[in-house]
Amino acid sequence: QKEVEQNSGPLSVPEGAIASLNCTYSDRGSQSFFWYRQYSGKSPELIMSIYSNGDKEDGRFTAQLNKASQYVSLLIRDSQPSDSATYLCAVRARSGGYQKVTFGTGTKLQVIP
Amino acid sequence: DTGVSQDPRHKITKRGQNVTFRCDPISEHNRLYWYRQTLGQGPEFLTYFQNEAQLEKSRLLSDRFSAERPKGSFSTLEIQRTEQGDSAMYLCASSLVSGALNEQFFGPGTRLTVL
Repeated sequence: QKEVEQNSGPLSVPEGAIASLNCTYSDRGSQSFFWYRQYSGKSPELIMSIYSNGDKEDGRFTAQLNKASQYVSLLIRDSQPSDSATYLCAVRARSGGYQKVTFGTGTKLQVIP
Repeated sequence: DTGVSQDPRHKITKRGQNVTFRCDPISEHNRLYWYRQTLGQGPEFLTYFQNEAQLEKSRLLSDRFSAERPKGSFSTLEIQRTEQGDSAMYLCASSLVSGALNEQFFGPGTRLTVL
């Protein structure tokens, strides 16, 4: 079982719709959860962080965390073509003496004008 | 606010050559991380520093790879005797250890091509 799992996509949504990106993780001791956006050929850009159960909203983005189900999601409201990118889920958990961050393989999002 | 910078942005080398990459973290950040990313994969952890101390190194990391952060500021990653399988994007990230999140911010990366 992979430590962090994401559907690779592509996930296609029409412009203006809500895009829903999902991620599951295997380590129940995971403490912090991150969503990064990565455009083709570029480096990952942090867009959301969450560590408590529930929802966290920032502009058009909402991160949702359910530790009991080991599930974290990202909602993008009013999707724009500029949101087309790969979204990486990252999870931080203790590994020995180190708090290791593990990334999923990413979900490719395509917003259709 | 100056972000994480990396140099060079691109490197093409022949198999067997040594290469060195540099990373300058965000100035107040005390942790610095190196990752490697190949096409279709997420970033894979290589090593990290807290100040000048290298605290963790991936078990997957070959002995050909070495990293330093001599004064707790910039860091270098050296790959000796490069192989074609080393071709990847090498990413540096930095963070400030405070609070619950310890968010990592990435530099633009160095794309390595080994011929």
